[in-house]
Amino acid sequence: EAGVVQSPRYKIIEKKQPVAFWCNPISGHNTLYWYLQNLGQGPELLIRYENEEAVDDSQLPKDRFSAERLKGVDSTLKIQPAELGDSAVYLCASSPGGWTDTQYFGPGTRLTVL
Amino acid sequence: AQTVTQSQPEMSVQEAETVTLSCTYDTSESNYYLFWYKQPPSRQMILVIRQEAYKQQNATENRFSVNFQKAAKSFSLKISDSQLGDTAMYFCACNTGANSKLTFGKGITLSVRP
Repeated sequence: EAGVVQSPRYKIIEKKQPVAFWCNPISGHNTLYWYLQNLGQGPELLIRYENEEAVDDSQLPKDRFSAERLKGVDSTLKIQPAELGDSAVYLCASSPGGWTDTQYFGPGTRLTVL
Repeated sequence: AQTVTQSQPEMSVQEAETVTLSCTYDTSESNYYLFWYKQPPSRQMILVIRQEAYKQQNATENRFSVNFQKAAKSFSLKISDSQLGDTAMYFCACNTGANSKLTFGKGITLSVRP
């Protein structure tokens, strides 16, 4: 069974530029998560989707961050414009359904903003 | 909201020996799940073990076992017969039904010496 796929693995951009990250969850997983992981820290939830619906986006900085999950499968996380402080690893995770299910993580995208 | 504390930033262990990683948590929920995740230098977060709070029996997975002390809100991970491939960052995490949010500790860096 294929795991969570993310691309790109690495991205370097200038500040004020836009950037997008893509995630393909494990087949059949209805719940998808985007996490932010700063260096030496644990991941922090940005947004949670159940199928197409964003059910928890309370931690997403909506002035510059946006996300979508079309058709309840793949998801894209966008930052526009990027700031120096956005340099971090962006992790995508998926789970079959409810909160009791284990979350499975992708390899992440390391973003560097210069 | 729940909190997870990992107070040891790093540990080192000799290959083939046993090591215990500490974790404490705090939640007002009666039903919750606890996890240990491993993140090797390649960044892929991998589930090591999970524990349902309503189960008194400590979870085990091969060389990995937990010591779950519900009253003390303690959830430590024991790694037996440590192997070089166990070198990684280990995160303790808690998920409750209150907000379906997986909260991570800051992690501990484990180094296994040959």
